Amino acid sequence: QVQLQESGPGLVKTSETLSLTCTVSGGSISRSYWSWIRQSPGKGLEWIGYIYYSGAADYNPSLKSRVSMSVDTSRNQFSLSLTSVTASDTAVYYCARLTRESRGWYWIGADYWGQGILVSVSS
Amino acid sequence: DIQLTQSPSFLSASVGDTVTITCRASQRISSYLAWYQLKPGKAPKLLIYAASTLQSGVPSTFSGSGSGAEFTFRISSLQPEDFATYYCQQLHTYPYTFGQGTKLEIK
Repeated sequence: QVQLQESGPGLVKTSETLSLTCTVSGGSISRSYWSWIRQSPGKGLEWIGYIYYSGAADYNPSLKSRVSMSVDTSRNQFSLSLTSVTASDTAVYYCARLTRESRGWYWIGADYWGQGILVSVSS
Repeated sequence: DIQLTQSPSFLSASVGDTVTITCRASQRISSYLAWYQLKPGKAPKLLIYAASTLQSGVPSTFSGSGSGAEFTFRISSLQPEDFATYYCQQLHTYPYTFGQGTKLEIK
């Protein structure tokens, strides 16, 4: 059973960089796509982006100028970096595996998720 | 971005009831829609993908239908563990947006 666990600081100062890591256990990070999704307090889910194990990534255009993702296959981890944060970046951040249908024709969705980590941004 | 509008935003029901949630897309998205269950402090769960395909391990009391721009999610014979917040997500056009959620509460 694949399990994901987010880790990182729960408090980040305004204008600084938010950095989170997702550790994958119970399976290899290779040959899969990995995503980050967030939920601001009292709001819905927001797609941040995804990264392939090879390092190829695609980000939400609304965040693209501030987001980067990376993969460390040796540690079975992938990471999120969000620069110049403001209070509006306060959210629960989830990591998840993004899966394609078996023939690769379309996306199934995020089939394994972490429990989420609350990151607050404050001055 | 494609906008997904879920209705209702809040739903009150009793154990044993059947409930239905609608998700409308601002553009046609074929059948590239997933449904998730979120509970506080727990890992979200994928329930339905490709609009109507039940994810492995998900009870058959959950079902989905629709294509194009209008989709329906149904839970029959509600169980206590089904009270949660449900989201739809389109996987047709990047970025893969979500609906605003439907909170299902016990009446």
